[in-house]
Formats: sequence, C-alpha cells, structure tokens
Amino acid sequence: EIVVTQSPVTLSVSPGERVTLSCRASQSVSSNLAWYQQKPGQAPRLLIYGASTRATGIPARFSGSGSGTEFTLTITSLQSEDFAVYYCQQYNKWPPATFGQGTKVEIK
Amino acid sequence: QLQLQESGPRLVKPSENLSLTCSVSRRSLSPGNFYWGWVRQSPGQGLEWIATIDDYGSTYYNPSLQSRVAISADTSNNTFSLRLTSVTAVDTAVYYCARHGGSVRGVLAHWGQGLLVTVS
Repeated sequence: EIVVTQSPVTLSVSPGERVTLSCRASQSVSSNLAWYQQKPGQAPRLLIYGASTRATGIPARFSGSGSGTEFTLTITSLQSEDFAVYYCQQYNKWPPATFGQGTKVEIK
Repeated sequence: QLQLQESGPRLVKPSENLSLTCSVSRRSLSPGNFYWGWVRQSPGQGLEWIATIDDYGSTYYNPSLQSRVAISADTSNNTFSLRLTSVTAVDTAVYYCARHGGSVRGVLAHWGQGLLVTVS
C-alpha cells in the first residue's frame, strides 16, 4: 500500500497570504494525485486531480504541482472561505486509494 | 446536478452488521462506465476508502476491510449499498458515498453529505 504523508499538520495563516501545502508518497504515483478540501460538517470537495488540473468550478487561486513522490497545493491570496482541512489522495495504484492525514489551514 | 444521499441506521450495537444505502439522483446506475464508492471518516480523523463498484458490477475493496465488507448495486432503484459485518467501536465514523470521476476513475468527484454511524 502506498503511504501518503502531508505536512504540516496545521498551518496558521492570515487572509490574503499565500499558502503552500505538501504531500509526499512512499513511492512514485506519477501524476495520479488529487487534493480535496473539507470544511467542518461537510463532505470533502475535489479541488485538483492529475496533480495539477483544477476540478470544475474551482477558483484559479488553487493550483497543484509535482509528480513522482513530491506534490504541493498552493493557494494564492487566501480567502476566508478557504480555511479548512486539505487532503491529498493517490490513485496510481488503487485499490486501495489512500489519503494523507490532512493539513488544517486555520486563521492566524 | 448529481446528488447522492446516504441512509441507514445511526446506531449499531457491537458485533452486529451495518447496512448502508446510497441513493443516486439525476443519473441512474445503469451501465455508463461510472464507479461508485464508499469512504469513511472516524471522528476527528482522516479519510479511509472502503469499497467501490462499477457499472458492470465489478467490485474493489480496501484490503484492510475486505474480509468484512460487501458492496452491491441495485440499478433498478438507482442505489448502491455497503454491508459491514461484525462492527466494533472502531467502525464508528461518518460514512460517505461518492461517485468516482468519469474520466479519472481514481478520484472521488461527487460526494454525499455523509451519515454518522455510532457503534455502541
């Protein structure tokens, strides 16, 4: 099973700042990595797939990059609605699909 | 707009079996090359993929749960279901049903709102 590790666990930022979240896979997943956003009490929402392709309706301030084992999600100019938990997920070798443990982006 | 809705018991006793159903609106489960799955999230924890079924009835399971899980679909009623046997407290979680991406099968593109199931 491919293990996916996210860092940091928590990120404290101010609105308007640029945020970079990291995701590392235990072995290469090529570009088969997705990012999700989850707000309290809500289901996750797909943000990015194929490491860098935004899902339908996702604002351009969200961008993904990386391949192989190292990936990043960048949010430029953080908005109030962006405070949430972000998960990455590999799907290069599924089953099983595996998720990272999440990074919480909180207000500083 | 595709909508998914989980239903089932909110409280289950230890050692009992849990059965959940996901109702799909707008698009039927008739063959169309889609994958339908279940994901759970224990309180305050991360996401765990459980199982997936495709429109042709092929099933895929998380090896960690495979011995206790079965996924099935009822195309006539536009539903798919999850059965988890011999539950314990560690199975307490929010259970989500989801549809995988149409062209990118590995991602979960559409999610239900989730159903909190407590084992106690």
